Amino acid sequence: DQQVKQNSPSLSVQEGRISILNCDYTNSMFDYFLWYKKYPAEGPTFLISISSIKDKNEDGRFTVFLNKSAKHLSLHIVPSQPGDSAVYFCAARGSTLGRLYFGRGTQLTVWP
Amino acid sequence: DTAVSQTPKYLVTQMGNDKSIKCEQNLGHDTMYWYKQDSKKFLKIMFSYNNKELIINETVPNRFSPKSPDKAHLNLHINSLELGDSAVYFCASSQVSRETQYFGPGTRLLVL
Repeated sequence: DQQVKQNSPSLSVQEGRISILNCDYTNSMFDYFLWYKKYPAEGPTFLISISSIKDKNEDGRFTVFLNKSAKHLSLHIVPSQPGDSAVYFCAARGSTLGRLYFGRGTQLTVWP
Repeated sequence: DTAVSQTPKYLVTQMGNDKSIKCEQNLGHDTMYWYKQDSKKFLKIMFSYNNKELIINETVPNRFSPKSPDKAHLNLHINSLELGDSAVYFCASSQVSRETQYFGPGTRLLVL
């Protein structure tokens, strides 16, 4: 029972354009959402997060949008750069104990 | 100045053996975690410790036993290794159980 789903296993975008990565969740009790970025042979690196009381959080080129009614969040990267090529994991936190539920990840490829 | 470190990075062993993976964090965090990333790329929590006390214990075979000698270390011991234990194991830490988690580089375990 995957509570966090990333339905696109891969995304390919040209450098300079916008990358939009999507994530859906099923549990309305999730109160905090995070995006992690992962390069091969490395651990996931925290990128950006958003609380369930907000609908947008921005950090430089990265913006996360949350639509609670649709149980959907998205990560926008503008402009995309080749160094952004990595696997992006969406994660959601339950209300207790800090347990994180991860999606399967989306491989982003940014080509010149 | 590595924040969360794991040893070894690679571990190849025979079925039936016992092995340990070590994790250390120098961030001063109170909570540490073990995650397993299986062949389908799902990242799933196994255990969580807060100040050396076990707070999350997912449905994991009791061949897996975490040990936290102090709040900066969380080791994972695996008895009687099986083929299905082959995966990447990530250690993570956070300031308190509900804060952002920071991951180690992973230990790639292959059971032959």
